[in-house]
Amino acid sequence: GQQLNQSPQSMFIQEGEDVSMNCTSSSIFNTWLWYKQEPGEGPVLLIALYKAGELTSNGRLTAQFGITRKDSFLNISASIPSDVGIYFCAGLRDGGATNKLIFGTGTLLAVQP
Amino acid sequence: GAVVSQHPSRVICKSGTSVKIECRSLDFQATTMFWYRQFPKQSLMLMATSNEGSKATYEQGVEKDKFLINHASLTLSTLTVTSAHPEDSSFYICSAAMGQRGYGYTFGSGTRLTVV
Repeated sequence: GQQLNQSPQSMFIQEGEDVSMNCTSSSIFNTWLWYKQEPGEGPVLLIALYKAGELTSNGRLTAQFGITRKDSFLNISASIPSDVGIYFCAGLRDGGATNKLIFGTGTLLAVQP
Repeated sequence: GAVVSQHPSRVICKSGTSVKIECRSLDFQATTMFWYRQFPKQSLMLMATSNEGSKATYEQGVEKDKFLINHASLTLSTLTVTSAHPEDSSFYICSAAMGQRGYGYTFGSGTRLTVV
């Protein structure tokens, strides 16, 4: 199935550092979502973006919906050990009967205390 | 907030047997539920979309006779892996949609299926 290109594939950082990851697509999405998944668990929604150019924060997390509607990025400031996990972007095209989410390839984040 | 309960969290079964996984929306009605499969260190791949009261829509390459989906009520969808084989071992995750615009896409905690 289709997937969104997400980069970087993995990041190994020190506690306190800022993190940036992005997601790109060859086609337009009307909604961008960012999820975090921890081992053995389902994804948990972090931020939802509904409008091109929108910048939204959730605590130390900030995400933006690209103006072209073909990309999005997620920033995490002052990382802490509990930020460890896999971060997925997901895109949604409105319209159609199913409104399926298309997931990115994921970014594995490891934070060293 | 919206909660989706998935059960069981882990199951080990013998090759050739069938396994049923349940997905329940606890505090909202979900007209649509989605089933995903995830292999280690990979992303979620959509298997099928389940609409209450109608037949599921399967993604290309997913065998509908092997992965039976039933969405009998607005709060329950089930995935049955029939005649399971070791290659069916995977992490299966459901999600339920409350609305159309993404804020309603809540995921269950997943089911680790191991076929021996």
